[in-house]
Amino acid sequence: GAVVSQHPSRVICKSGTSVKIECRSLDFQATTMFWYRQFPKQSLMLMATSNEGSKATYEQGVEKDKFLINHASLTLSTLTVTSAHPEDSSFYICSAWGTSGITDTQYFGPGTRLTVL
Amino acid sequence: QQQVKQSPQSLIVQKGGISIINCAYENTAFDYFPWYQQFPGKGPALLIAIRPDVSEKKEGRFTISFNKSAKQFSLHIMDSQPGDSATYFCAASIISWGKLQFGAGTQVVVTP
Repeated sequence: GAVVSQHPSRVICKSGTSVKIECRSLDFQATTMFWYRQFPKQSLMLMATSNEGSKATYEQGVEKDKFLINHASLTLSTLTVTSAHPEDSSFYICSAWGTSGITDTQYFGPGTRLTVL
Repeated sequence: QQQVKQSPQSLIVQKGGISIINCAYENTAFDYFPWYQQFPGKGPALLIAIRPDVSEKKEGRFTISFNKSAKQFSLHIMDSQPGDSATYFCAASIISWGKLQFGAGTQVVVTP
């Protein structure tokens, strides 16, 4: 299967700081990447859909000014949590939806554990 | 409004037994139904997927059964092993749309 990486795997930051999470598709080009957050023992909640070269589409209730998404290339998307607060602590997961040969599904990254103190 | 309903919430099965997880959906436009396996602290991994033109798909010990008229699909894990202990999510999407609608998840525990 396709490989998607995320960096960092875990981050601890102080309240009020900004944190950037990178998502890379390593062996295929991803026209679309998705960003999810997952709270303990809950399902994945879609935050936004990111298409290469265009603005991200955010799900209802997700603050676009707080969760900045950039999809600068077919292999890289970034999520920046601005002015993070303890309630932003969560498990953030990206997924990539491929182009050639991998068009049917999303392949997920390993996730980033964000803890805001 | 949850578009994909998954049950049970949790499941305990003995080693060698069969684990069965069920999902139901509402949107008849869905044309892709994957199952994901997630271990604690890890991202979900695609396990097996099916399209609505097929009623069953088997890969190793994992089988998806699909009932289009009932708008239901299920995952069967045959000969369950302790290493299968994980959370399983069903999902549904419209392929051209891309977005996945996830079920709530089922925590499966396989006892030795």
